[in-house]
Amino acid sequence: EAQVTQNPRYLITVTGKKLTVTCSQNMNHEYMSWYRQDPGLGLRQIYYSMNVEVTDKGDVPEGYKVSRKEKRNFPLILESPSPNQTSLYFCASSLLAGGRSTEQFFGPGTRLTVL
Amino acid sequence: AQSVSQHNHHVILSEAASLELGCNYSYGGTVNLFWYVQYPGQHLQLLLKYFSGDPLVKGIKGFEAEFIKSKFSFNLRKPSVQWSDTAEYFCAVNPYSGNNRKLIWGLGTSLAVNP
Repeated sequence: EAQVTQNPRYLITVTGKKLTVTCSQNMNHEYMSWYRQDPGLGLRQIYYSMNVEVTDKGDVPEGYKVSRKEKRNFPLILESPSPNQTSLYFCASSLLAGGRSTEQFFGPGTRLTVL
Repeated sequence: AQSVSQHNHHVILSEAASLELGCNYSYGGTVNLFWYVQYPGQHLQLLLKYFSGDPLVKGIKGFEAEFIKSKFSFNLRKPSVQWSDTAEYFCAVNPYSGNNRKLIWGLGTSLAVNP
């Protein structure tokens, strides 16, 4: 089944404790992206990647890191989480056409709480 | 700056009522257009998309959208809503603008359908 998977689905942590949220897709998509969703603010892009070893900042990259060592995986790293990073996080992937993302497929989401 | 505006933040309808959700974007060039739906507690799924061709696009579950280039609009419609259409709806635009690789998202419209 074609899908985007994220782990963990739920995470409660404390300020400053490094964490990684994994994202994997099995559709051979070039494009991958991380979003956070907060009430009243919609979806905001954190980072995106056009292909292996190619990543770029989205709208709200501060406090996050990503890597794209393999085509299928795009982990999101919070080196020192803070309470304002409490949010619902989505990973997405898509094919590229003409250098642009086409239909994006979303993972199930990771609900992160930072105390 | 490029932006996407969804005029209705919250919509409440009774079953069998007709639905129209507005989406306007601020970019004068070529765009790809999307509507996504997020059912309660779930991830985003594509409802429909427009890349080129017939400006009236049909999607899943009886939804359709019309691209009106002169109005920079891509409104979502459904002639008769059901209780199961209760969800959050997001409009997204991918402008063909230089190195722009990002989808620009509206803030979403929350639809509640009363049985």
